[in-house]
Amino acid sequence: EAQVTQNPRYLITVTGKKLTVTCSQNMNHEYMSWYRQDPGLGLRQIYYSMNVEVTDKGDVPEGYKVSRKEKRNFPLILESPSPNQTSLYFCASRYGGPSYEQYFGPGTRLTVT
Amino acid sequence: GENVEQHPSTLSVQEGDSAVIKCTYSDSASNYFPWYKQELGKRPQLIIDIRSNVGEKKDQRIAVTLNKTAKHFSLHITETQPEDSAVYFCAAPPYSGGGADGLTFGKGTHLIIQP
Repeated sequence: EAQVTQNPRYLITVTGKKLTVTCSQNMNHEYMSWYRQDPGLGLRQIYYSMNVEVTDKGDVPEGYKVSRKEKRNFPLILESPSPNQTSLYFCASRYGGPSYEQYFGPGTRLTVT
Repeated sequence: GENVEQHPSTLSVQEGDSAVIKCTYSDSASNYFPWYKQELGKRPQLIIDIRSNVGEKKDQRIAVTLNKTAKHFSLHITETQPEDSAVYFCAAPPYSGGGADGLTFGKGTHLIIQP
């Protein structure tokens, strides 16, 4: 089954404790992105990647890191989480070319206390 | 970069009536305009999209219209049903001159279907 997976689905952590949210897709998509969703703000892009070892900042990159060492995986790293990073996070991927349809993962709800 | 504005933020309609959600965008070079539906606790899912070379696209009870001159596009849902209750997002590609990827989303419309 073609899909985007994320882990964990739910995470409660404390300020300053490094964490990683994994994202994996089995559709051989070139492009991957991370978004955060907050009430009243919609989805905002954090980082994106156009291929292996090619990543760039989106609209709200502060406090986040990513890596793309393999085509299928695109982990999101919070080196020192803070309460303002409490949010719902979605990973997404798409094929290259003119179609911009994003295939979303199931989401990760993160709470930082 | 691209700026996408979406209205209204909440829309309540009687079951069976029509619903219209509107979005504007800022980059005149944008050429792809999707609409996503997000049910409570679930991921956004694409319901319809339109490219800049057409003015309207229909899929059963949903349709999208595009006015490139005015830089706005709209989602139309006819004969609304309870299962249409959800949050709807419009989107557009990021600023075409910036080399970025992904989508810029509107802030969302919470559509409520009243029985």
